Amino acid sequence: GDSVTQMEGPVTLSEEAFLTINCTYTATGYPSLFWYVQYPGEGLQLLLKATKADDKGSNKGFEATYRKETTSFHLEKGSVQVSDSAVYFCALHNTDKLIFGTGTRLQVFP
Amino acid sequence: DAGVIQSPRHEVTEMGQEVTLRCKPISGHNSLFWYRQTMMRGLELLIYFNNNVPIDDSGMPEDRFSAKMPNASFSTLKIQPSEPRDSAVYFCASSSQGAPNTGELFFGEGSRLTVL
Repeated sequence: GDSVTQMEGPVTLSEEAFLTINCTYTATGYPSLFWYVQYPGEGLQLLLKATKADDKGSNKGFEATYRKETTSFHLEKGSVQVSDSAVYFCALHNTDKLIFGTGTRLQVFP
Repeated sequence: DAGVIQSPRHEVTEMGQEVTLRCKPISGHNSLFWYRQTMMRGLELLIYFNNNVPIDDSGMPEDRFSAKMPNASFSTLKIQPSEPRDSAVYFCASSSQGAPNTGELFFGEGSRLTVL
C-alpha cells in the first residue's frame, strides 16, 4: 500500500542553520505531496504542497520539490529560526486518503 | 474566520466510562476526518465522512469506538467503555474535497484524552 517514510528526529539546529528533513514515499499512480507542521499544543496545519512531478512547493521560507525519479519530497529551509521549532509531517494524497509520515521534531536553539 | 472547533480540549476519565468528543467543521467543508495521535503510533486515521456519510472506518480500533455525523456542522466520536490504552490526542479535521483543495486538511486543536 501507499506509505510515507520520514527521517527520525529530533533534528537539533542552531538559529540560521540550513535545514533538510528527508521524506520518501511509495505510491501507485500520481499522488499529491504535502508538508504539514504542528506547533506545540496545536493541530497540524498545511505548510506547502506539490501536485505533480517537478513542482516546487514553498511557504514561509520552506521549500520542497516533488521528485518522481527518486520518490522524494525533502523539506528545506536556508536559515531556520527558533520559531520554526515544531513537528513536521510529510504526507501524500492518493485516491481518497491522506497518508502521513511519523513526523520529525525540529528543535532550533538561539 | 472560525476554524475547526473541538471539545473538550482536555478530558480525564476513569476506565469503563463513556467518552464523547465533539467536532464542528469549517462551514462549507464537505469532508470530515477523525485522527488519533500517540507517541507510539503517530497519527492514525480513524474514520472519515464525505457529505455526512461514513466512507472509510477501517481505522476504528474496535467496536468500542463509534462516530456519527448527523449533519454538516457536527460530528461526535464516542468511546464506550474507555480503556487506558485509548489515552491520546484526538484530532478532527475538515476539508473541501475536490481539486485544487484535495489533501488540504484543516485541523482542530485536538482533544487530549486521559483514561485512568
